[in-house]
Amino acid sequence: QVQLQQWGAGLLRPSETLSLTCAVYGGSFSGFYWSWVRQSPGKGLEWIGEINHGGSTNYNPSLKSRVTISVDTSKNQFSLRLSSVTASDTAVYYCAREDLVGATGAFDCWGQGTLVTVSS
Amino acid sequence: EIVLTQSPATLSLSPGERATLSCRASQSVSSYLAWYQQKPGQAPRLLIYDASNRATGIPARFSGSGSGTDFTLTISSLEPEDFAVYYCQQRRNWPPGFTFGPGTKVEIK
Repeated sequence: QVQLQQWGAGLLRPSETLSLTCAVYGGSFSGFYWSWVRQSPGKGLEWIGEINHGGSTNYNPSLKSRVTISVDTSKNQFSLRLSSVTASDTAVYYCAREDLVGATGAFDCWGQGTLVTVSS
Repeated sequence: EIVLTQSPATLSLSPGERATLSCRASQSVSSYLAWYQQKPGQAPRLLIYDASNRATGIPARFSGSGSGTDFTLTISSLEPEDFAVYYCQQRRNWPPGFTFGPGTKVEIK
């Protein structure tokens, strides 16, 4: 049974860089796309971007200028960096796996979530 | 950009009742639609993918239907653990990515 475990700094000041890492345990890492999704307090879900084991990425156009997603296949990990954060980046950040069974690319496995707060 | 709209925003029902949730896309997404359940303090849980296929381990009381722009998630008989927020999600081919609907909260009446 695949499990995703994520970690990273939970409190940032404006203009700093958010950094989170997600480790994949108990399942295959290659062959999948891996995503980051965030959820602002009391609001809905926003897809940030994705990466595969070969390092191919796609980003949400609204965040693309500030986002970098990278992968470390030797550790079965992928990471998110979001630069120049502001209070509007305060959210719970999730890592997730895109399933291969269907065509929707639905997210069938999620990390536990990390609350990131941006405050001066 | 495709926008997903969910209705109603809140659905007040009693255990045992039938829940019908709607998700409408601003343009056709074919059958590339998924549904999730989220409870407070938890990550979303995949229920339905490709509009009508139940994910692994999802009870048969959950069903999805629709294609193109109009989709429905039906919970045939609400169990106490089904009271939660439900989101729809679609995949777009270009630019590659995903969007979510704003959610429907199913609350105990």
